[in-house]
Parts: sequence; structure tokens; C-alpha cells
Amino acid sequence: AQTVTQSQPEMSVQEAETVTLSCTYDTSESDYYLFWYKQPPSRQMILVIRQEAYKQQNATENRFSVNFQKAAKSFSLKISDSQLGDAAMYFCALISGNTPLVFGKGTRLSVIA
Amino acid sequence: DGGITQSPKYLFRKEGQNVTLSCEQNLNHDAMYWYRQDPGQGLRLIYYSQIVNDFQKGDIAEGYSVSREKKESFPLTVTSAQKNPTAFYLCASSISQRNTEAFFGQGTRLTVV
Repeated sequence: AQTVTQSQPEMSVQEAETVTLSCTYDTSESDYYLFWYKQPPSRQMILVIRQEAYKQQNATENRFSVNFQKAAKSFSLKISDSQLGDAAMYFCALISGNTPLVFGKGTRLSVIA
Repeated sequence: DGGITQSPKYLFRKEGQNVTLSCEQNLNHDAMYWYRQDPGQGLRLIYYSQIVNDFQKGDIAEGYSVSREKKESFPLTVTSAQKNPTAFYLCASSISQRNTEAFFGQGTRLTVV
């Protein structure tokens, strides 16, 4: 079975600082994808970044980057130069084989002005 | 514009009644999903469908039913057998089920009164 674990229910960061959200996962598949989704107060789920397991290079999208450690099955999200609009729930998700997306329980990020 | 539309945004149901949540997409996606979101629980999969006229149970299918008569539509019925239906429901779609990200609707908040 595929599982995703987010061990930090809540995190906070000062505006303009950097924060890292943790995620570990488990799958027996060799071909899989990992995602980070953002859910702001509007509750609309927004894709932040994706990582293909076969790619060694860590994905980057502007201020968002990941640290993908395949052997450790770790997939953390780093947010640089944090902004007030980054405040949201962040979900780590895994898709592998024919199994639909599996989500972690989420991390609530607060940004302090 | 292409996207996923869920309706209604808010829904109230009396105990013992069935209620149907609508989900329509015009992205020409093959796969569609229903997730339930409760505080501290992340997103849990209720049902998913890879093609028209076919669907599979997810992790928490009891008390729910779905149909997939058209590619664009994947309605979810919350039956009276669902013991704790009050929750936020998210519909999603993806190009296919394998290794692709999902796009989400705005969600429906169901409250039993």
C-alpha cells in the first residue's frame, strides 16, 4: 500500500524567511510521482510542484523547491522569501502504478508579518 | 475556460435523506475522483473512475454511490447509510490515472442538520 506521512501539523515562518515542510512516503513501485498541493482559505487545491521519481534533479518552481531523497523516501518542500499569500494548508501527495493520488494529512503554514 | 465545476458550494441535508453532489469537467480528462476532507485527516478517497461506465471504490466508499454515464460528469450520492456525512467534498480529474497530477474543483461543504 502507498502511504504519505506529514509529521508537522503546523508550522510558522516570518515573512521573507525560508521554511521547509517535511514529507515521507512509502511505495513498492519504481515508477511514481510526488506532488505538493496548496490549499488556501478558499479551499481551492492548487498544484505547487511535482517531481518524477526517475529524475534525480530536484524540481523548482520560482520560490518553491523540493529536496527529493529517493533512498530515504523523503520529499520536503522549501519555500524561500515567504510571503503572506503563502499561508495555507500544504499537502504532500503520491501517485504510483494504477493507484489514485494518496495524500498526507497536511501541514498548516502560518506566515508572520 | 476549461475546468472542474462542483455544485452546490454549500449543501444542507436532513438526517435520513440522500443527497447528490455534482461534478462536471470540460478538460476532456478520462479519470475522475471524489475525496472527502475532514479536519486533521487530509483527503481520503471515496470513489474513482478511469473511464465511462466504470468506477472503483476508494478507501471510504461505504454510504456513498457514484455513476459515470458521461465522460464529463461524475456525481456523488451521499446516502442515508453514511453515518457521518458532514464534511468537505472535493472532486478532481486527471488526463489518465497513471502518474499525472489531478485538478480539483472548488469543493462542496455538506452539513447534516
